[in-house]
Amino acid sequence: DAGITQSPRHKVTETGTPVTLRCHQTENHRYMYWYRQDPGHGLRLIHYSYGVKDTDKGEVSDGYSVSRSKTEDFLLTLESATSSQTSVYFCAIGGLDPFEQYFGPGTRLTVT
Amino acid sequence: GNSVTQMEGPVTLSEEAFLTINCTYTATGYPSLFWYVQYPGEGLQLLLKATKADDKGSNKGFEATYRKETTSFHLEKGSVQVSDSAVYFCALRGGATNKLIFGTGTLLAVQP
Repeated sequence: DAGITQSPRHKVTETGTPVTLRCHQTENHRYMYWYRQDPGHGLRLIHYSYGVKDTDKGEVSDGYSVSRSKTEDFLLTLESATSSQTSVYFCAIGGLDPFEQYFGPGTRLTVT
Repeated sequence: GNSVTQMEGPVTLSEEAFLTINCTYTATGYPSLFWYVQYPGEGLQLLLKATKADDKGSNKGFEATYRKETTSFHLEKGSVQVSDSAVYFCALRGGATNKLIFGTGTLLAVQP
């Protein structure tokens, strides 16, 4: 299994609260991705990174920001959480072939 | 734009039955195609891939053939097991993009 962890694994927060999710890899892969998974939508890309300090938006980036100050860590921040951001969030990493992505175990976020 | 369409689930089969999960795509150029599997409570895992027309990807008894003429990449397995119960996602990477586009997923439930 690829060395990829996510923290926290579960979180409940209130509307308007800032939330940061962390993805940590031990594979030294260049590419890292954040997705959200919702019923009826499959996985949708939020943001991705192609190197330290190099990030770009995915298809559902509104309300989210990311940072990557080290190869191994990719942070996803909800500046002011809303109920529509209740979801399961997956981090993924990609190496020599960035399209063969390896997924973390997910973070279940509930915004009340 | 690029998109992936999967058959609606759930698909319920008895053990040792034949499985087909349909996947069709819309893309410009020559996309690479993937099937990912998500077991309960886990992240996605790459199951198989095909990078050009007529390629057949295979793994763990599953197969899928890249059919450019019908823009399809249907997943098949000759004899399913209870342990194959999972959600299956078809995905593509099209053209110069470094992003994966996922279908909505198909839940497979195999009964003993």
